[in-house]
Amino acid sequence: EVPLVESGGGLIQPGGSLRLSCAASGLTVSSNYMTWVRQAPGKGLEWVSIIYSGGGAYYAGSVRGRFTISRDNSKNTLYLQMNSLTAEDTAVYYCARVGSTSFAFDIWGQGTMVTVSS
Amino acid sequence: EIVLTQSPGTLSLSPGERATLSCRASQSVSSSSLAWYQQKPGQAPRLLIYGASTRATGIPDRFSGSGSGTDFTLIISRLEPEDFAVYYCQQYGSSYTFGQGTKLQIK
Repeated sequence: EVPLVESGGGLIQPGGSLRLSCAASGLTVSSNYMTWVRQAPGKGLEWVSIIYSGGGAYYAGSVRGRFTISRDNSKNTLYLQMNSLTAEDTAVYYCARVGSTSFAFDIWGQGTMVTVSS
Repeated sequence: EIVLTQSPGTLSLSPGERATLSCRASQSVSSSSLAWYQQKPGQAPRLLIYGASTRATGIPDRFSGSGSGTDFTLIISRLEPEDFAVYYCQQYGSSYTFGQGTKLQIK
């Protein structure tokens, strides 16, 4: 059983929108801090957003105002709504759980690729 | 924003050797909120160390972390073939930032 499975990536034109999903099994999204991290091709890791168990959310400056993190408790699924996409948003997007004692990112999904290109 | 600088960028060693990876922060990392991750090609990162020195579940004891304030180190005592990968440090004490990575390659 894979704890986190991302989906929703694909090829999108600049200025477009995309919603990523992260389906969880074996862990409860609403009870955990959950986060999105991205990795541009051949580059390092970049933190994108986090949602706390209480519902508060925070964003990296590069995506603030364009991306929205949310969750559906009934589906045990995390989302990332991405608007006004640019080529700089091209990356593999990973969802991850924030450990309740470590506060590091201890469980990761396999990632979903987003390509922004005309 | 806390900037993390990892060195060296690339480290070439042989199996059985000791690897020392460095991570320097632009300002003090609170409560040693520093983690290390390993990433192999085509895979998601894996948490190795958190709290600067605590091994994550299932991580072999050849991996050890140390440091505080602005200087942190990951040591792999005796390299196994599966240890050759890219390693990232991350601070989570003030928002979240990652270092640029150190590639550990076979010599």
